Amino acid sequence: NAGVTQTPKFRILKIGQSMTLQCTQDMNHNYMYWYRQDPGMGLKLIYYSVGAGITDKGEVPNGYNVSRSTTEDFPLRLELAAPSQTSVYFCASRPGGVGYEQYFGPGTRLTVT
Amino acid sequence: AQTVTQSQPEMSVQEAETVTLSCTYDTSENNYYLFWYKQPPSRQMILVIRQEAYKQQNATENRFSVNFQKAAKSFSLKISDSQLGDTAMYFCAFMKHGGRDDKIIFGKGTRLHILP
Repeated sequence: NAGVTQTPKFRILKIGQSMTLQCTQDMNHNYMYWYRQDPGMGLKLIYYSVGAGITDKGEVPNGYNVSRSTTEDFPLRLELAAPSQTSVYFCASRPGGVGYEQYFGPGTRLTVT
Repeated sequence: AQTVTQSQPEMSVQEAETVTLSCTYDTSENNYYLFWYKQPPSRQMILVIRQEAYKQQNATENRFSVNFQKAAKSFSLKISDSQLGDTAMYFCAFMKHGGRDDKIIFGKGTRLHILP
């Protein structure tokens, strides 16, 4: 199993550009999450999904959009990139049920200049 | 709303020493789960240990153990015989039991340096 994969690993965007961060998991997990981690800080939840077709906002959803058309994929869309979105983005997934820990992807480092 | 507080932004210890990382949390829930995650320089988030709130016995995983004090809402991580590979950011995390709103709340992390 590859686990949780994210692409790209690095990206530099100009202000106002858009992009999609890809996240795929091959563990048949129902729950998927997107976090951002600013330098020296903890993780903040952007969006999450409890299954295909269902998404919910997290703590910091502004400037982002998500979709969940399949169990495996949970892309994160940035529209009109701003310098404040410079961060490392992590995707995570976990099985349904209670108490299961999240499995994380390797992260995408995004710089907006 | 639940909150997780890690009061030690950064710590350093000598190799082979024992170190304890502190974590407190605030919740009105009775059933929940607590985790410690490790993030080495590679940035990969790795689960170190987990604790179910309904279990009184403290969780252990090899050199890693926790001191779970439910009444005090405290969840510290003890690393015994520390190794250079333990150098990382450590995040304490909380997840309530059940329900659709089951996202994990992370603390801000403690950066741990193991010195040779």
